Amino acid sequence: GQNIDQPTEMTATEGAIVQINCTYQTSGFNGLFWYQQHAGEAPTFLSYNVLDGLEEKGRFSSFLSRSKGYSYLLLKELQMKDSASYLCAGFGPTSGTYKYIFGTGTRLKVLA
Amino acid sequence: DTEVTQTPKHLVMGMTNKKSLKCEQHMGHRAMYWYKQKAKKPPELMFVYSYEKLSINESVPSRFSPECPNSSLLNLHLHALQPEDSALYLCASSHAGRDEKLFFGSGTQLSVL
Repeated sequence: GQNIDQPTEMTATEGAIVQINCTYQTSGFNGLFWYQQHAGEAPTFLSYNVLDGLEEKGRFSSFLSRSKGYSYLLLKELQMKDSASYLCAGFGPTSGTYKYIFGTGTRLKVLA
Repeated sequence: DTEVTQTPKHLVMGMTNKKSLKCEQHMGHRAMYWYKQKAKKPPELMFVYSYEKLSINESVPSRFSPECPNSSLLNLHLHALQPEDSALYLCASSHAGRDEKLFFGSGTQLSVL
């Protein structure tokens, strides 16, 4: 089956830049998603990369290298409200069917 | 309308109770999902409905019974749950097909006593 790995926790300072990495097995995924989830709330969609390279959306950017099975989410000008879990996810084959596979999630704490 | 609405938001039930979780969307999505999420863990897929038919059951115990009465509604019927079933239950929907983003409801926080 597919595994998607992320660091468990990260801490950064308000106003700084943080990069959250995601690595996965290279077979089967068409593209990669990033979701943000605040504690006790539902995940919300942040970005989707289907082509290699960097996609920029305001303070958030996401990068994908399909050949390396690697993605990252870059958060600039960190704000306290960015404290949340960040999930990367792929849609790919596992156990004979296609489905969403979520990474382990990274809990980001932004300090004042 | 880009919302997925889940009710109730919180539910406390005993191990002998029968209850149902409800989910509704009006975005025309033909794929609907139930996920279970424990604290500090990623969502775990339970069931997927595609065009109102059950397409994926992730070997979920039969005390969880999904139902998709029509393209806008998804239910999860609960019976004889165990304390370890306490979790956040998330409904999601998407357009059917590969690589479609998920729209999640706000979840039902379930406690089984």
